[in-house]
Amino acid sequence: AQSVTQPDIHITVSEGASLELRCNYSYGATPYLFWYVQSPGQGLQLLLKYFSGDTLVQGIKGFEAEFKRSQSSFNLRKPSVHWSDAAEYFCAVGAPKSQETSYDKVIFGPGTSLSVIP
Amino acid sequence: EAGVAQSPRYKIIEKRQSVAFWCNPISGHATLYWYQQILGQGPKLLIQFQNNGVVDDSQLPKDRFSAERLKGVDSTLKIQPAKLEDSAVYLCASSRMGVNTEAFFGQGTRLTVV
Repeated sequence: AQSVTQPDIHITVSEGASLELRCNYSYGATPYLFWYVQSPGQGLQLLLKYFSGDTLVQGIKGFEAEFKRSQSSFNLRKPSVHWSDAAEYFCAVGAPKSQETSYDKVIFGPGTSLSVIP
Repeated sequence: EAGVAQSPRYKIIEKRQSVAFWCNPISGHATLYWYQQILGQGPKLLIQFQNNGVVDDSQLPKDRFSAERLKGVDSTLKIQPAKLEDSAVYLCASSRMGVNTEAFFGQGTRLTVV
């Protein structure tokens, strides 16, 4: 069964500094991968997604993520963090329906809370 | 296009009471999800509908939780009776068919059980 781990529960960075949020997944085949952001009191918003092709994907708000099959990772990066980026970030794995399940399935990681120091 | 609508936004109830949440997905989205998000944790899938059929309810506490999706559109999630540990944000999301499509989330209902 697929699973997602986000090793960092909480990260604090200074405004203008670079950011990398880690995500590792477990899945037998090439999964679909997502990063969502959740601001306080809000629902989740999709930042970017990887399905196939170029392993470096660009998203909204200046975020990018790189899929590394050998490391089973999909880390999120941003070169210069803004105070408004303070939020909860969730990595998610999508598995298409297969012999094991007759439906598509999406599993979320536990999240990484990002604080930004002005 | 209009987003996923959820109501109410907040609800406070006493333990052993019942509560219901409502979700109106984006028009044309066949898949609807209910997630439970406990403070400090990631969303946990409670139930997934494809049109008006349930495809996954393996993590739904069926002794107290129930959900339905009438005519493959709106959905309600009910808890009866509520326990203290049910305090959480309940998120509804919808997507077109297929996991390679984006899931759109509502703002959620924050439930507090006292």
